[in-house]
Amino acid sequence: AQSVTQPDIHITVSEGASLELRCNYSYGATPYLFWYVQSPGQGLQLLLKYFSGDTLVQGIKGFEAEFKRSQSSFNLRKPSVHWSDAAEYFCAVSLGTGYSTLTFGKGTMLLVSP
Amino acid sequence: DAGVIQSPRHEVTEMGQEVTLRCKPISGHDYLFWYRQTMMRGLELLIYFNNNVPIDDSGMPEDRFSAKMPNASFSTLKIQPSEPRDSAVYFCASSAPLGANVLTFGAGSRLTVL
Repeated sequence: AQSVTQPDIHITVSEGASLELRCNYSYGATPYLFWYVQSPGQGLQLLLKYFSGDTLVQGIKGFEAEFKRSQSSFNLRKPSVHWSDAAEYFCAVSLGTGYSTLTFGKGTMLLVSP
Repeated sequence: DAGVIQSPRHEVTEMGQEVTLRCKPISGHDYLFWYRQTMMRGLELLIYFNNNVPIDDSGMPEDRFSAKMPNASFSTLKIQPSEPRDSAVYFCASSAPLGANVLTFGAGSRLTVL
């Protein structure tokens, strides 16, 4: 079965600093990959997705992620964090063929310090 | 579109009572998902529907849980009888045909069972 690992439960970043959130997946084939963000008291919102093609994908709110097949990783990055980015971030994976449901990681809570 | 609409947003009930959570998916979306989120277990898929038909309910924790989708614009998740360990945030999400797992989430229903 596919699985998603987000090794960092919490991360604190200073406002204006760069951010990288890690995500590793376990699956034999190339899956579809997603990053979602959850603000307090809200549902999850899609930041970006990777299906195929260019391994560097751009998303909303200035986020990007890079798919690295050799490392089974799909890390999320942002060059300059804003206080409004404080939220919980979820990586998710699904099979790359046909239809399958999403498997979510446990999430990484991002705290932004002044 | 108003997005995925869930009600109630908050529910506090006593052990043994029946709980019904409601969801209105985005018009035109033919997949509907119910997820449960807890600190310990993260996001868990409970059940999903395609064209109002339950496809996979293997995530439903036990017989106390049931879900229905009587038409394309409405779904319910019922817990009867409720127990304190059911306390969680329950999310409904929907996706479009051929949407390749791009889910749109509702804001969630926070359930507290005393």
